[in-house]
Amino acid sequence: QKEVEQDPGPLSVPEGAIVSLNCTYSNSAFQYFMWYRQYSRKGPELLMYTYSSGNKEDGRFTAQVDKSSKYISLFIRDSQPSDSATYLCAMTQYGNKLVFGAGTILRVKS
Amino acid sequence: GAGVSQSPSNKVTEKGKDVELRCDPISGHTALYWYRQSLGQGLEFLIYFQGNSAPDKSGLPSDRFSAERTGGSVSTLTIQRTQQEDSAVYLCASSPANYGYTFGSGTRLTVV
Repeated sequence: QKEVEQDPGPLSVPEGAIVSLNCTYSNSAFQYFMWYRQYSRKGPELLMYTYSSGNKEDGRFTAQVDKSSKYISLFIRDSQPSDSATYLCAMTQYGNKLVFGAGTILRVKS
Repeated sequence: GAGVSQSPSNKVTEKGKDVELRCDPISGHTALYWYRQSLGQGLEFLIYFQGNSAPDKSGLPSDRFSAERTGGSVSTLTIQRTQQEDSAVYLCASSPANYGYTFGSGTRLTVV
């Protein structure tokens, strides 16, 4: 079993939809949780960063962490075609050596 | 520089040859990481540098892989006697502390 599980998709939604992306993990020691966005042939770009449990909002993006369930989510409101990319969850215990999910491919149709 | 720079962006090499991949991190970033991304796979950790030291090299897949960092800046990942399974995108990231990586665009390595 992988340390971090993420559905690879692809997830296809119409423009304006609310998108929900999720990861589960097995290591209860993880404390720092991140979401990265990766466009084709580019490196991953940090979108959201959360420490421990709770919610964090930044514009159209909301990250949620539920440590009791070992489950993290990223919500994208009013999705745009420019949001089409691969979304990677990542997590770490001490802040170095991130462990990544396999990534979910998102396609937003105009 | 403004971002993490990796070179070359693409490399095609023959099986059995050695390759060197270069990473120029953001100036002042003390932490540097190498990851590997294969098609359909997540990012696989290879090695972590803090300054010029590598406190964690647990992800290097075999002794054919080595990396160094000099002057707390540029890092080179060397793969000796390349094999077809080494084909992947090699990503470098740097960080001012222990989180908030900034990634480069990667080197796409193809071993033929």
